[in-house]
Parts: sequence; structure tokens; C-alpha cells
Amino acid sequence: QKEVEQDPGPLSVPEGAIVSLNCTYSNSAFQYFMWYRQYSRKGPELLMYTYSSGNKEDGRFTAQVDKSSKYISLFIRDSQPSDSATYLCAMSYGAAGNKLTFGGGTRVLVKP
Amino acid sequence: DTGVSQDPRHKITKRGQNVTFRCDPISEHNRLYWYRQTLGQGPEFLTYFQNEAQLEKSRLLSDRFSAERPKGSFSTLEIQRTEQGDSAMYLCASSPSGTGKKELFFGEGSRLTVL
Repeated sequence: QKEVEQDPGPLSVPEGAIVSLNCTYSNSAFQYFMWYRQYSRKGPELLMYTYSSGNKEDGRFTAQVDKSSKYISLFIRDSQPSDSATYLCAMSYGAAGNKLTFGGGTRVLVKP
Repeated sequence: DTGVSQDPRHKITKRGQNVTFRCDPISEHNRLYWYRQTLGQGPEFLTYFQNEAQLEKSRLLSDRFSAERPKGSFSTLEIQRTEQGDSAMYLCASSPSGTGKKELFFGEGSRLTVL
């Protein structure tokens, strides 16, 4: 079993809908939680960064972390065709090294 | 801009050949990471450097793989005697050390196709 599990999708939604993504993890030592967006044949780019449990909002994006359930979520409001990409959750222990452990990614397609 | 730069972007090689990838990190970042990503999967950690010291290597990094960062600036990842299973995107990332944000900044990747 992988340390971080993520539904691969694809997740297809109409433009303007709310996109809901999530990851579960098994290691309670993870403290830092991130969501990266990756367009086809490009490197991942950071979308959201959260430390420990709680919610964080940035524009159309909201990240939630529930450490008690070992569950993190990303919501995209008013989705746009330009949001079509693969979304990767990533987490870190925060110890020396900043090494990230990634989920497998969820492919999202926003249809105009 | 001074983002993470990787070269080449795409390499096609025949099985058994050696290949080398180069990564130039963001200039003020002293940590450098290599990840491998296969189609439909998330990036998997291979190794990381703090300055010129290689501090951690994944068990994924077989003895055919070697990474260096000789002067604590750019890094190279060499794969010897390539196999078809080595076909993947090789991603380089960098970050500053210290107690700040744990974000990694990724390059565009070097895609390897082994025929």
C-alpha cells in the first residue's frame, strides 16, 4: 500500500462547476501538505501549501487538512477550462531535507 | 528568470546506452532533488543534495544510476546501460534550506525514451 493514495480520475466537470479532489495518507508524521498542478509534459507547480490541520483559501482554491482522519482535500470553485490538468497532492515530514511524498495524481478535465 | 532549468528536455536512446541529464537549480537554493515520474503516476523521490553532499538515496536508485553535484550548484543524473523500464520523466527540483516553507520548485523535466 502506498503512503499517499489519490484517485487517478479522470474527473470531468462542466465549466463553472466545483472540482473536489482528495488524498488519504497512512503516515501520521506528515505535517506539511501541498497541492501541485501539472500540465501535460510540464513540471509540477505549487498551488496550495498548508501546515498541519485546517483550511486555507486562495482565490478560487481551498485546501483542507484533517490530520485526525489523515485526509486532505482541494476544492476549485468556478472551474475554468484552463484548470484542466493533473493535480498532485504532496506531503512532507518537515524534517531536514524537505523531501516530498506524492500521490499518484488526479487528472481533471473542465469542459467548456 | 532564474527558475529550475533541465537539459535535455527529451532524450531518445537505445537500450544499453548511457544517458546524462543536467539540472541547474534556482541560484540561491542549496537543496536539490531528483524525482522520477512514469506515465499516470506521481513523482517518486530518487535522491537529494544539500550543497555538494548527497544526503539521501532511494532504493529506486539502482547502481546503474549516479547523481552528482560537484560544486554545490548544478547537478547531473547519469543512467548507465539503460533499460526500457527507465523510460520516464526525470524531474529536478530545488529548495532553500532552513525553517521556512517546505515547497519544492520543479523544472520542466527531462523525458527519457529507451527503445
